[in-house]
Amino acid sequence: AQSVAQPEDQVNVAEGNPLTVKCTYSVSGNPYLFWYVQYPNRGLQFLLKYITGDNLVKGSYGFEAEFNKSQTSFHLKKPSALVSDSALYFCAVSHLTSGTYKYIFGTGTRLKVLA
Amino acid sequence: EADIYQTPRYLVIGTGKKITLECSQTMGHDKMYWYQQDPGMELHLIHYSYGVNSTEKGDLSSESTVSRIRTEHFPLTLESARPSHTSQYLCASSALGQGAGANVLTFGAGSRLTVL
Repeated sequence: AQSVAQPEDQVNVAEGNPLTVKCTYSVSGNPYLFWYVQYPNRGLQFLLKYITGDNLVKGSYGFEAEFNKSQTSFHLKKPSALVSDSALYFCAVSHLTSGTYKYIFGTGTRLKVLA
Repeated sequence: EADIYQTPRYLVIGTGKKITLECSQTMGHDKMYWYQQDPGMELHLIHYSYGVNSTEKGDLSSESTVSRIRTEHFPLTLESARPSHTSQYLCASSALGQGAGANVLTFGAGSRLTVL
């Protein structure tokens, strides 16, 4: 079955330290990969996406993600975390099924950046 | 400014009431979606539409219904609300066409429904 896994419910990191939020996927074909962020009482906001090309993708607010095809992973990273980065992060894949593209979201990872 | 709007943001109603959650987008997107999300939890697709007069049920069974009479408008209706419908409902849209698989979802701010 097609799926997206975010193995950590919560990630804690000290302000100024690098952060990584993990995502792996199990989808046939060549999916498109996304990260979204959700702040309290808000909808999701797009951060970045991987379509093709360079495995390192840069996005909004200093975030980047590394696509690894052999490990079917798309981990989100930031070199120096800010308290304002604290939020809920969702990994998603868009894949072709029955002639249309469908999104699959991970279960979300809560990032807490400590001052 | 192109955006996607949801009203009401918060709604508290009694059991048995009929409610409609409104969603409108000004981006000219063909595809629209409704997701259900318990606070801080994963998203579940309950309805989607690829254009006017096109609606489909999503992965999570829902007692709600939707309509798509105009491109920009995708309301969700509960004929008789129950406490089990208490949740956050997120509306989203995306473009259709070339590169559709890579198209980003734009989300509204959400409607938080509480049924007493």
